[in-house]
Amino acid sequence: AQKITQTQPGMFVQEKEAVTLDCTYDTSDPSYGLFWYKQPSSGEMIFLIYQGSYDQQNATEGRYSLNFQKARKSANLVISASQLGDSAMYFCANTGGFKTIFGAGTRLFVKA
Amino acid sequence: SQTIHQWPATLVQPVGSPLSLECTVEGTSNPNLYWYRQAAGRGLQLLFYSVGIGQISSEVPQNLSASRPQDRQFILSSKKLLLSDSGFYLCAWSLTRTAPSGANVLTFGAGSRLTVL
Repeated sequence: AQKITQTQPGMFVQEKEAVTLDCTYDTSDPSYGLFWYKQPSSGEMIFLIYQGSYDQQNATEGRYSLNFQKARKSANLVISASQLGDSAMYFCANTGGFKTIFGAGTRLFVKA
Repeated sequence: SQTIHQWPATLVQPVGSPLSLECTVEGTSNPNLYWYRQAAGRGLQLLFYSVGIGQISSEVPQNLSASRPQDRQFILSSKKLLLSDSGFYLCAWSLTRTAPSGANVLTFGAGSRLTVL
């Protein structure tokens, strides 16, 4: 069974600084994908970044990077140079087969 | 380009009344379709998913049901709503590929906020 754990209910970061959002996962699937999504206050879900379980390099997308440590089963999201518009809920997710399971989320507050 | 439509956006229903939420996808064929529910301030709970017409997989036993009468149409229903059915319902689609051969990125609709009184 798949499980995603996000242990930080809320995080504060100063504008222009970097922040790391933690995510650990557990899955019995030999092949899987790890994702991060952003949910602003409007409620829409926005895909940010993807990491495949066999990818050798950590994924990067602009200011987002995924720190993938397979042995530790962690897939932390790093946001560099935080902006006020980054304030939102962030969800880590795991896909095995056709199912995508989400963590409880971390609410990020960016301070000016 | 692909788009996903979900409606209604907001609804308030009395306990015991029926429910129908509809989701349609345009610009793609044979998508995987999903229904999630999000309680206030919480994560997303997978309710149903479908990999083809008439095929429904249920993840959580409850008084909700889903149907896929057409390739790009996904409907969430209930015959009698409970107070605990209140929440934010999100429909999503993805390409019919499994991880990691292709990123199974989910594209979400705008959501339907249901309040059961």
